[in-house]
Amino acid sequence: DTAVSQTPKYLVTQMGNDKSIKCEQNLGHDTMYWYKQDSKKFLKIMFSYNNKELIINETVPNRFSPKSPDKAHLNLHINSLELGDSAVYFCASSQDDRGPYNEQFFGPGTRLTVL
Amino acid sequence: GQNIDQPTEMTATEGAIVQINCTYQTSGFNGLFWYQQHAGEAPTFLSYNVLDGLEEKGRFSSFLSRSKGYSYLLLKELQMKDSASYLCAVVDSNYQLIWGAGTKLIIKP
Repeated sequence: DTAVSQTPKYLVTQMGNDKSIKCEQNLGHDTMYWYKQDSKKFLKIMFSYNNKELIINETVPNRFSPKSPDKAHLNLHINSLELGDSAVYFCASSQDDRGPYNEQFFGPGTRLTVL
Repeated sequence: GQNIDQPTEMTATEGAIVQINCTYQTSGFNGLFWYQQHAGEAPTFLSYNVLDGLEEKGRFSSFLSRSKGYSYLLLKELQMKDSASYLCAVVDSNYQLIWGAGTKLIIKP
């Protein structure tokens, strides 16, 4: 059984398009995250949701919007895609983000290429 | 600001031992994680340290010194499959995870 799953695994699209990436976790975790990993391999937190409440929003353009229909899902919508958005996007989840031990479980990643 | 430093790349020989260092300056400290990430794959959990000292888990060990803001990951009896990036991440005072850029470990036969 897949703990954290993402779709699609690969996404190739044109500049200016709008796209979505879906994420689901079946671990019963309370917190979910979206990360962006660029070509330099830096893992940057974009958003996290705890019980459907946005609790982190780093300096991310408002073209990116997370949507969480329920605790098990956190989707990422991207409007007006730009070349610089090309990266691998990882979804992750953890039991609780309010304690020191918040081991995060990652999805397989979505490789987004903007042409 | 918050900062985590790791070497960008290291090379070691199959069967040998390698130590990957991580130094950090963060607003508070609530633990340190090491993750392994193979090329094209997701990071996976290796270890968690919150108290000073060495934690051993099979071929992998992780050490922490909170007073020095320092940790290392020790890999013994290296195997080719250990070729990967190793990410150090610190839990700050707000329980947020601050990630290092990772160390790419290359294992040669």
